[in-house]
Amino acid sequence: DAGVTQSPTHLIKTRGQHVTLRCSPISGHKSVSWYQQVLGQGPQFIFQYYEKEERGRGNFPDRFSARQFPNYSSELNVNALLLGDSALYLCASSPRAGGKPEAFFGQGTRLTVV
Amino acid sequence: DQQVKQNSPSLSVQEGRISILNCDYTNSMFDYFLWYKKYPAEGPTFLISISSIKDKNEDGRFTVFLNKSAKHLSLHIVPSQPGDSAVYFCAASEYFAGSQGNLIFGKGTKLSVKP
Repeated sequence: DAGVTQSPTHLIKTRGQHVTLRCSPISGHKSVSWYQQVLGQGPQFIFQYYEKEERGRGNFPDRFSARQFPNYSSELNVNALLLGDSALYLCASSPRAGGKPEAFFGQGTRLTVV
Repeated sequence: DQQVKQNSPSLSVQEGRISILNCDYTNSMFDYFLWYKKYPAEGPTFLISISSIKDKNEDGRFTVFLNKSAKHLSLHIVPSQPGDSAVYFCAASEYFAGSQGNLIFGKGTKLSVKP
């Protein structure tokens, strides 16, 4: 069975540009969460979506947005990119919101802003 | 202020010996704790979890201990194998308090198991 898949795996963008990252959860999982991991830190929660609705939001500016589609896949969008947005962006899926917190992560998208 | 702290950035252990990774937390509302392992260029992989109603959970070579009064948990790996070399993250959640799936992670401890 396929795990969580993310695309692209690597991306280089220029300051001020916009980026869209994509995630497909494990089959049967309806909840998707996004995390940002900068070098030397642990992953930091950005969003959780369940049944196309936002269920949680971390301490990130409004430049960050996300959505979930009817097939439970998800997109993370970041506008007006800053150098500090350079990080590994991780998508995690779990069977449902409110279930056990064990989340299963994809391999991540490495975003570099220059 | 960090709510989940892993104060040892790195740990080196001989193959076959015990590895003990430590984690402290400050938020008394945390009631579910998880350990993840991460290899370079891969996403974190779930290892083992424990809820606040237990003080020990065991899965094969991995055991997690929780000391709620000290707000401390530890992961024991016995025996350690070279393939265990990775970065280990401790994470916490307010699961029973109605968390919306938000995991709070520590900074990680890099474990090196030497043959």
